[in-house]
Amino acid sequence: QSALTQPASVSGSPGQSISISCTGTSSDIGSFNYVSWYQHIPDKAPKLMIFDVSDRPSGVSNRFSGSKSGNTASLTISGLQAEDEADYYCSSYSGSGTPYVFGTGTKVTVL
Amino acid sequence: QEQLVESGGGVVQPGRSLRLSCAASGFYFSDYGMHWVRQAPGKELEWVAGIWNDGSRKYYVDSVEGRFAVSRENYNNILNLQMNSLRVEDTAVYYCARAGHSSLWNSYFHSWGQGTLVTVSS
Repeated sequence: QSALTQPASVSGSPGQSISISCTGTSSDIGSFNYVSWYQHIPDKAPKLMIFDVSDRPSGVSNRFSGSKSGNTASLTISGLQAEDEADYYCSSYSGSGTPYVFGTGTKVTVL
Repeated sequence: QEQLVESGGGVVQPGRSLRLSCAASGFYFSDYGMHWVRQAPGKELEWVAGIWNDGSRKYYVDSVEGRFAVSRENYNNILNLQMNSLRVEDTAVYYCARAGHSSLWNSYFHSWGQGTLVTVSS
């Protein structure tokens, strides 16, 4: 199972909106509505930001939103803040074989 | 507040064994499936193994099948990963993660530990 494809880096100024794409195949993202997104600051525990494509866990800011179209999922961060600077990974359930596949990761920089 | 704390990482020679543990607190451990996920240096996250909430079913990525064994002690809120016949390519930070519900499937990784580094080198 190949990793999901994400852009290596995305940047934006405070207050702007950015989107991170996550491209998979018809065997993972295209087949299941079980896409999730994780924020990872080095040396800290990864944090769940979005699950089941567009649901937010309690405590996660509503500035974070998720969507999916075909084999591609997206994470949008609106009103970008300095504290949003981190690595972001997508993941999708993929059924049989290796049940979960992760994205290649995107470094978000707040200019 | 949920907390997962991994331990047991270190430097080990190829072919040797290592046992990782993950201490869970802040939630009903026996209600949830648990996973191990790793990240090799400069690489993406990789799902390694998972175990049902009651320990009845266990699953592994092909590259560790037959070498790694996941187990859990629900009375102690502990998740374990026994790693045998370690290879250089097993070098990674290993994270334990709680599943979204009791099974492992159709789910996500709800909460994570900070990870423990395993280095396999001669």
